[in-house]
Amino acid sequence: QKEVEQNSGPLSVPEGAIASLNCTYSDRGSQSFFWYRQYSGKSPELIMSIYSNGDKEDGRFTAQLNKASQYVSLLIRDSQPSDSATYLCAVNWWYSGGGADGLTFGKGTHLIIQP
Amino acid sequence: GAGVSQSPRYKVAKRGQDVALRCDPISGHVSLFWYQQALGQGPEFLTYFQNEAQLDKSGLPSDRFFAERPEGSVSTLKIQRTQQEDSAVYLCASSPPDHEKLFFGSGTQLSVL
Repeated sequence: QKEVEQNSGPLSVPEGAIASLNCTYSDRGSQSFFWYRQYSGKSPELIMSIYSNGDKEDGRFTAQLNKASQYVSLLIRDSQPSDSATYLCAVNWWYSGGGADGLTFGKGTHLIIQP
Repeated sequence: GAGVSQSPRYKVAKRGQDVALRCDPISGHVSLFWYQQALGQGPEFLTYFQNEAQLDKSGLPSDRFFAERPEGSVSTLKIQRTQQEDSAVYLCASSPPDHEKLFFGSGTQLSVL
């Protein structure tokens, strides 16, 4: 069973602070990991992808992956009110034959950045 | 087109009515996915096409749901005899063959009264 778990929040962070969003997933094996941001009433948009253990930085965003612990996180530095949104963790499991079958999403964490 | 296009943007249906939702993917994207997103939840997988072939329909909640992509481009998700529990946003996404990055349309918000 492929499952992706997130705390639904809301997570409230003061402007300028670091927001930390966490995600755990079931089922070991080959996977790739994504963070999507979804504003209310809008569709998800991809903000980060990570494929190997460790950290990946892109501007104010850092994704962290620990496959042994089945854990992936997203850090947002210098949080801005415009970062207020729902953040969806998504995992893509790869078949042993090399194909992928699309993303399994968590329920999302609602992040609120307080001015 | 430049992005994934879905229509209609909003659909109100009476219970028992049939509805059809359209998705026009990004040109050249062979993979197309349909997701259902209930209020406050993450997107739930419904079905997946590679070109015109429907390779996975395991997420379709009942036999009232049917999807097609006859020419490997535009896809239609059809829901027969709609029920109130079908009320949700239906998202379409397309991707290049590796499925590594999904590009979503704006969704169709379906309300069944």
